[in-house]
Amino acid sequence: GENVEQHPSTLSVQEGDSAVIKCTYSDSASNYFPWYKQELGKRPQLIIDIRSNVGEKKDQRIAVTLNKTAKHFSLHITETQPEDSAVYFCASGSGNTGKLIFGQGTTLQVKP
Amino acid sequence: NAGVTQTPKFRILKIGQSMTLQCTQDMNHNYMYWYRQDPGMGLKLIYYSVGAGITDKGEVPNGYNVSRSTTEDFPLRLELAAPSQTSVYFCASSFTNTGELFFGEGSRLTVL
Repeated sequence: GENVEQHPSTLSVQEGDSAVIKCTYSDSASNYFPWYKQELGKRPQLIIDIRSNVGEKKDQRIAVTLNKTAKHFSLHITETQPEDSAVYFCASGSGNTGKLIFGQGTTLQVKP
Repeated sequence: NAGVTQTPKFRILKIGQSMTLQCTQDMNHNYMYWYRQDPGMGLKLIYYSVGAGITDKGEVPNGYNVSRSTTEDFPLRLELAAPSQTSVYFCASSFTNTGELFFGEGSRLTVL
């Protein structure tokens, strides 16, 4: 079945450094790749997404890249701040089924 | 708009008991989802629905049932609760099959 692998499971950076989280998906029909942020004890919230007809998308300090050939996509956070500390989830979805499969999550810690 | 509302927020069950987690949304979304979140395991899709009267299994459907008689409501039924069903359950909805998921606050279920 469909599977999304996410790495690393934990990531610790100094404030101001960059953070990169990588995901690999298995379903060739996937065409939608969102990223969610979940703060401790809260619900996940969408921070950025990318669709299969786009290779890269930026929103201020956050960027996502997609390599459909390799079935990889990544989240890049620049100039990290302590409030970026949270669990980040990647996901892949297919417009055909409406099913959205999540990766295992990455716990990001930004040290002041 | 209240968004996605889940009840109850907390529940303790004994092994073998049954219960229903309620989920309702007031955004007129067609797509609704149930996920469970275990520590370090990410969000696993239990069941999803692309519209009233239509439901389908996700990654981990065993031990659960759903129904979708209206656009607004998507209850999750646990029959014969087992300790392995101890988890945090999130209901979510989306306007399109490749759009932002709006999550409820979550329901923490413990089976003893």
